[in-house]
Amino acid sequence: DIVMTQTPLSAPVTLGQPASISCRSSQSLVHSDGYTYLSWLQQRPGQPPRLLIYKISNRFSGVPDRFSGSGAGTDFTLKISRVEAEDVGIYYCMQATQFPYTFGQGTKLEIK
Amino acid sequence: EVQLVESGGGLVQTGGSLRLSCAASRFIFSNYCMGWVRQAPGKGLEWVASIKEDGSEENYVDSLKGRFTMSRDNAQNSLYLQMNNLRADDTAIYYCARLGSNWIWAFDIWGQGTMVTVSS
Repeated sequence: DIVMTQTPLSAPVTLGQPASISCRSSQSLVHSDGYTYLSWLQQRPGQPPRLLIYKISNRFSGVPDRFSGSGAGTDFTLKISRVEAEDVGIYYCMQATQFPYTFGQGTKLEIK
Repeated sequence: EVQLVESGGGLVQTGGSLRLSCAASRFIFSNYCMGWVRQAPGKGLEWVASIKEDGSEENYVDSLKGRFTMSRDNAQNSLYLQMNNLRADDTAIYYCARLGSNWIWAFDIWGQGTMVTVSS
């Protein structure tokens, strides 16, 4: 199974400041079709997860452009350019390249 | 609005069974792979199973094979998860999720979840 490791597990951030979350996979997420099925999800308190980013760097419909994704192979990053109060929650990376699909442990973003 | 609504959760005794349902609306259900993801209280997300568009193939996390069975009825726009021989560590919110088109290939639409509590 592919293990997804996120750092940090907790990210206290000042409003208006940037935030960055790292996700590392135990093996390459490049599929045989050439695409990398790494996504980022946000889970606000008491809510189901919400897709933010798919295939490393593509923002899903309705996601603000302050969210961006980057990376390749086994190392990926989610960045928030200027954190807003509504960004509080837990962020997960997920790989859908290979069964079983696996998630990172989650990174809790909170406001300082 | 595209929507997924789960039902069927509840309190069940250890060793019992439950069948979860997920009703899809406002999208062509038969065009999408679907999945179940669960979240134990205070814990992270765990992929449970996925099923192809036509129901011809299912995949499960190894730890649940043989106890959980996923199915779908495209005529009814519905997804199911049959859970047998339930254990305390199956206690979780169970989310139904749509795997986006081939271009997206991520869980792009999620239901609100249904809570399953397994107790002795």
